[in-house]
Amino acid sequence: DIQMTQSPASLSASVGDRVTITCRASQGIRYDLGWYQQKPGKAPKCLISAASSLESGVPSRFSGSGSGTEFTLTISSLQPEDFATYYCLQHSTYPLTFGGGTKVEIK
Amino acid sequence: QVQLVESGGGSVKPGGSLRLSCAASGFIFSDYYMSWFRQAPGKGLDWVSSISTSNTYINYADSVEGRFTISRDNAKNSLYLQMNSLRAEDTAVYFCAKGGGSRVDWGQGTLVTVSS
Repeated sequence: DIQMTQSPASLSASVGDRVTITCRASQGIRYDLGWYQQKPGKAPKCLISAASSLESGVPSRFSGSGSGTEFTLTISSLQPEDFATYYCLQHSTYPLTFGGGTKVEIK
Repeated sequence: QVQLVESGGGSVKPGGSLRLSCAASGFIFSDYYMSWFRQAPGKGLDWVSSISTSNTYINYADSVEGRFTISRDNAKNSLYLQMNSLRAEDTAVYFCAKGGGSRVDWGQGTLVTVSS
């Protein structure tokens, strides 16, 4: 199975801050990675697919980069509605596997 | 837009069974892989199972292999998850999802509680 190591597990940031979240895959997964945002009590929402493709309707302050084994989600200027938990998901090989999540909290 | 509505969750004793259903609308159901994911209370997301467009390819997480069965009815735009021999560790919100991993759209989820 491919292990996805996501860091940090949590972070505190202020509105306007630049935030970076990383996922590392235990083996190469090309660009087969998505980033998801989940707010409490809600279903996850896809922000980024194919490592760097912004989903329709997602604000441009979100961006994704990387390939192979190292991937990054960046929020260029954190907004109040961005406080949530973020997950990466690899779909290169079954079983599909998620990173452990990053909880973004208000400083 | 994509709508996925799960039903069938509830409370069950260890060893019991439940069948989850997912009614899909807003897209051509038969054109897409479909999946089930789950999230235990206070925990992260886990993949459970995926099924191809015409039932040809099916995959399961090791933790549910042999106990859960995914199926779909393209004529009814519906996805199912038959869950047998349920264990306490199967307690979770179960999400129906459009897609086999890439660009997943999620339903709102249905809670399954396994407890004596």
